[in-house]
Amino acid sequence: EIVMTQSPATLSVSPGERATLSCRASQSISSNLAWYQQKPGQAPRLLIYGASTRATGIPPRFSGSGSGTQFTLTISSLQSEDFAVYYCQQYNNWPPWTFGQGTKVEIK
Amino acid sequence: QVQLVQSGAEVKKPGASVKVSCKASGYTFTSYGISWVRQAPGQGPEWMGWISVYNGNTNYTQKFQGRVTMTTDTSTNTAYMELRSLRSDDTALYYCARVVDWFDPWGQGTLVTVSS
Repeated sequence: EIVMTQSPATLSVSPGERATLSCRASQSISSNLAWYQQKPGQAPRLLIYGASTRATGIPPRFSGSGSGTQFTLTISSLQSEDFAVYYCQQYNNWPPWTFGQGTKVEIK
Repeated sequence: QVQLVQSGAEVKKPGASVKVSCKASGYTFTSYGISWVRQAPGQGPEWMGWISVYNGNTNYTQKFQGRVTMTTDTSTNTAYMELRSLRSDDTALYYCARVVDWFDPWGQGTLVTVSS
């Protein structure tokens, strides 16, 4: 099973600043990576698929990059509604699918 | 719009079973699979299994093998997940999700509480 490791566990950022979240796969997954945002009391919402393609309706301040085993989600200028938990997920040769443990982006 | 609507919260005693439903709308139900994911309090998502709506094939993660059954009813565009022999550590939010390769969208979640 492919293990996904996210860092940091918590990221404290001021509104308007940039946030950079990392996700590492235990083996190469090409670009078969998705990012999700989860707010308290809500289901996860797809942000990015194919490592770098924004889902429908996702604002351009969210961008994804990487391939192989190292991936990054960047939020260029944090808005109040962006404070949430972010998960990466690999979907290379599914099943199974595996998720990272999440990065919580909190207000500094 | 594409939507998955799940059944309501459940409270069960240890050893009982629970069956959660997930009704799909806004797309051709048989064209995509459905995965089930659970999330324990304060934890990340955990994939439980997948069902092909097209032919009923299933794949369950080893952790739930023998305790979980996933089915679909194409006449009502509804997917079901039954979990048996419930334990206290099965207390969690259970989500269904449409499988594109990634998961989109997700249902709103069903809270299953296991308590004596």
